[in-house]
Amino acid sequence: GDSVTQMEGPVTLSEEAFLTINCTYTATGYPSLFWYVQYPGEGLQLLLKATKADDKGSNKGFEATYRKETTSFHLEKGSVQVSDSAVYFCALGFSGGYNKLIFGAGTRLAVHP
Amino acid sequence: ETGVTQTPRHLVMGMTNKKSLKCEQHLGHNAMYWYKQSAKKPLELMFVYSLEERVENNSVPSRFSPECPNSSHLFLHLHTLQPEDSALYLCASSQDFEAGALLSSYEQYFGPGTRLTVT
Repeated sequence: GDSVTQMEGPVTLSEEAFLTINCTYTATGYPSLFWYVQYPGEGLQLLLKATKADDKGSNKGFEATYRKETTSFHLEKGSVQVSDSAVYFCALGFSGGYNKLIFGAGTRLAVHP
Repeated sequence: ETGVTQTPRHLVMGMTNKKSLKCEQHLGHNAMYWYKQSAKKPLELMFVYSLEERVENNSVPSRFSPECPNSSHLFLHLHTLQPEDSALYLCASSQDFEAGALLSSYEQYFGPGTRLTVT
C-alpha cells in the first residue's frame, strides 16, 4: 500500500548548517507531496508542496523536489536557524474518496546556536 | 479568526467525565478531519467528514463520538475515556473536489490541537 518513510531523528545541527531530511514514498497513481512542520505545542503547518514530478516546492528558505524516478521528496535548507527547531513530517496526498494524507513518522530537528 | 481553530487548547478530565472538543474552520472548506497524535506513534486518522457526511471511521472506540453539524464546525464528544487516550487531538480541513472538477492538490490545514490528559 501507499507509505512514506522518513529518516529517523533527532537531527542536531549548529546554526547556519545545511539541512537535509530524507523522505521516500511508495504510491500508486500520481500523488501530491507535502512537508508539514510542527513547532512545540502547536499543530501541523503546511511548509511546502509539489503536485507533480519535477515540481519544486519552496517556502521560508526550505526546498524539496518531487523526484518520481527515485520516489523521493527530500527537504533541504541552506542555512538553518534556531527558530527552525521543530518536527518535520513528509506526507503524500491523493483522493481516497476524500483528500487523504499518508504521513511519515516525523523527524525532529534541533538547531543550536 | 482565520484558518482552523480548536477549543479548548488543554483539557484534563477524569475517566468518568463527559467533555467535547470543538473545531471551527474559516477557510470555506467542505471536508473536516480528526487526528490523534500520541508520543512515539505516527499520526492516526480517526474520522473524516466530507460535505457533512462521515466518510471514514478508522476503528475508533465508541467512547469517541464525532459530530459535524455544518461544513464549518466539527465536534468530538468524549466519555468514559482511558488514560491511554491522553494525546494531542488535531482537527484539519480541506477542500474536496467533486468528480470532474479541477484536480485537487489534496492538502489539509490543521488547527493548533487540544492537549487531552485523562486521569
